[in-house]
Amino acid sequence: DTAVSQTPKYLVTQMGNDKSIKCEQNLGHDTMYWYKQDSKKFLKIMFSYNNKELIINETVPNRFSPKSPDKAHLNLHINSLELGDSAVYFCASSQGLGGGNQPQHFGDGTRLSIL
Amino acid sequence: TQLLEQSPQFLSIQEGENLTVYCNSSSVFSSLQWYRQEPGEGPVLLVTVVTGGEVKKLKRLTFQFGDARKDSSLHITAAQPGDTGLYLCAGAHSGAGSYQLTFGKGTKLSVIP
Repeated sequence: DTAVSQTPKYLVTQMGNDKSIKCEQNLGHDTMYWYKQDSKKFLKIMFSYNNKELIINETVPNRFSPKSPDKAHLNLHINSLELGDSAVYFCASSQGLGGGNQPQHFGDGTRLSIL
Repeated sequence: TQLLEQSPQFLSIQEGENLTVYCNSSSVFSSLQWYRQEPGEGPVLLVTVVTGGEVKKLKRLTFQFGDARKDSSLHITAAQPGDTGLYLCAGAHSGAGSYQLTFGKGTKLSVIP
């Protein structure tokens, strides 16, 4: 059984388009995250939700809007896509408020390419 | 801003050799996690170290947390081709009522048979 699943795995689209990435976890975790991994493999937190409430919102353009319909799902919508948005986006989840001892479980990533 | 510096960035070694990867910061972390990421997949947790000076072993991998909880190392003994991957350290710290992880930029390890 896949613990954290993201769709789609690959996303190729034109600059200026709007797209969404979906994430679901079946681990019963309370906290979910979105990370961006750039071409140099640097993994940076974007957002975190705990029980559907936004708790971490790093400096991310407001073209990015996360939505958590329930604690098992955290989707990411991106408006007016730009070339610099090309990256791999990872969803992750953890138990509790992501305390330091809690591991984060990652999905396999969504590879976004902007043409 | 919490920053973690990992070194080396790239490492290519022969099967059977030993290696050490370092993760350093000027900030104190409540704990430090090590992840391994393989191509096309997300990072997978290897270990969490919590106490300053703590040493944990996972088969041929030895992880150490610095006494001041600012740095960590990963030592691999007799590396195998299956150890190939991107190794990421991540420091846990609190802020705005929650914890978050700050990742290092990773060490890409290639073990040549």
